[in-house]
Amino acid sequence: QVQLVESGGGVVQPGRSLRLSCAASGFTFSTYAMHWVRQAPGKGLEWVALMSYDGSIKYYADSVKGRFTISRDNSENTLYLQMSSLRPEDTAVYYCAREEGTPYVSSPYNWFDPWGQGTLVTVSS
Amino acid sequence: QSVLTQPPSVSGAPGQRVTISCTGSSSNIGADYDVHWYQQLPGTAPKLLIYGNSNRPSGVPDRFSGSKSGTSASLAITGLQAEDEADYYCQSYDRSLSALYVFGTGTKVTVL
Repeated sequence: QVQLVESGGGVVQPGRSLRLSCAASGFTFSTYAMHWVRQAPGKGLEWVALMSYDGSIKYYADSVKGRFTISRDNSENTLYLQMSSLRPEDTAVYYCAREEGTPYVSSPYNWFDPWGQGTLVTVSS
Repeated sequence: QSVLTQPPSVSGAPGQRVTISCTGSSSNIGADYDVHWYQQLPGTAPKLLIYGNSNRPSGVPDRFSGSKSGTSASLAITGLQAEDEADYYCQSYDRSLSALYVFGTGTKVTVL
C-alpha cells in the first residue's frame, strides 16, 4: 500500500540544524511531486516546501526561504528537508505529502494525498 | 498566517447536517483554483476528504460533500456521526508570493 514514513525529528537548540527524511513505498516515487507541510502544536497546517518529481523545481514558503532546503533521492525513494538556523517558531510536526492529480507535472489544481504520520521537531534551548 | 478563513468550531447532534465555510480571496479561490478538504482525527495526520471542490476519494462516505462559489467553498456533512468529530481544513493555491499552497484556519467539528 502507499505509505510515507517521516523520521529525523527531535529536540534541537535555536540556530542549529536538523535533517528530516520521508521514506516512500507502494508507488513510483520518481513520478510524483512531493511536499512538506508543518503543524505547530495546537495550530493549523502550514505549507513549507515543494519539489518536482525530478528535483528540478523547488519552491518554499517565505517563512523558511533561505533556511530550509528540500531535496530527494529517487533511487532511494526518499524525500528530505534540511533545516538550518532553526528558530523556536519552527517547532512543529512536519508531514511529507504526495502531490496527487496530474502525473509528473506539479499543478496548482492538485492536492495532497497521502500524508505521512509526521515527525515532531522541537526548537528549544 | 492562513489566508483561508474557516469558523473555529461547529457542532451538531448525531444525524444532523453541518456545514463549514472556507473564505478566500481573488488570489486563491476567487482565481478559480480548486479547493480541497482534509480531515484530521485527534492525534493523527490529515487525510484527504474532498478534492477538486466536490470529488470524494474512494472510501469517503457520501455524507461528505463539497462545493465552491466565487471566493468561498463549503464542506457539508449530512447524517453527522460520532466518528466525524475531528478538525477539518480547506486548502487551495495562492498566486501571491508568500506561499503557493494555502490552508484554512481549521474547524473543529463536535458531535453533541
